[in-house]
Amino acid sequence: AQSVTQPDIHITVSEGASLELRCNYSYGATPYLFWYVQSPGQGLQLLLKYFSGDTLVQGIKGFEAEFKRSQSSFNLRKPSVHWSDAAEYFCAVGGGNEKLTFGTGTRLTIIP
Amino acid sequence: DAGITQSPRYKITETGRQVTLMCHQTWSHSYMFWYRQDLGHGLRLIYYSAAADITDKGEVPDGYVVSRSKTENFPLTLESATRSQTSVYFCASSAGARVQPQHFGDGTRLSIL
Repeated sequence: AQSVTQPDIHITVSEGASLELRCNYSYGATPYLFWYVQSPGQGLQLLLKYFSGDTLVQGIKGFEAEFKRSQSSFNLRKPSVHWSDAAEYFCAVGGGNEKLTFGTGTRLTIIP
Repeated sequence: DAGITQSPRYKITETGRQVTLMCHQTWSHSYMFWYRQDLGHGLRLIYYSAAADITDKGEVPDGYVVSRSKTENFPLTLESATRSQTSVYFCASSAGARVQPQHFGDGTRLSIL
């Protein structure tokens, strides 16, 4: 069965600082990996996805993520965060069918 | 406007009542999903549907019923609501037969007293 672990429940970062959110997955074959962002009171919005090819993927809002098969990781990064990046971030993994398994999320707080 | 809409956005009901949450998408996506979001659990899949008249259980289906008579609609019914079903419910849709990004509605916050 596929699973996702987001080890950080809550992260606080200063505005302008760099950000890395961790995601580890478990899946027996090549996974399909996603990062979503959820602003308060809203649904989830897709930030980026990895299906195959280049292991460094670019997403919206200046985010990127790197797939590392040897570490079973798909960490999300941003070089300089903005106050508007404060939200909850979810990593998700999909496999041979259409279902996704989501992590429990990381809440990001930005301080001035 | 194209997209996925959920109604109502907020609902308060009592234990034992039946309540139906609506989901409508305008993309003609074949797949639709219902999730519940609870603190510490992330999103958990309740039911999903591959096409009209095809539905299947997800991780936490007990106490819920779904139907899909039309491609664009995927209602979720709690036949006899319990307090443990207090949650935020999200509907999503995706295109294609293999794993595709899912597009989410804004959610329904359901409180059961």
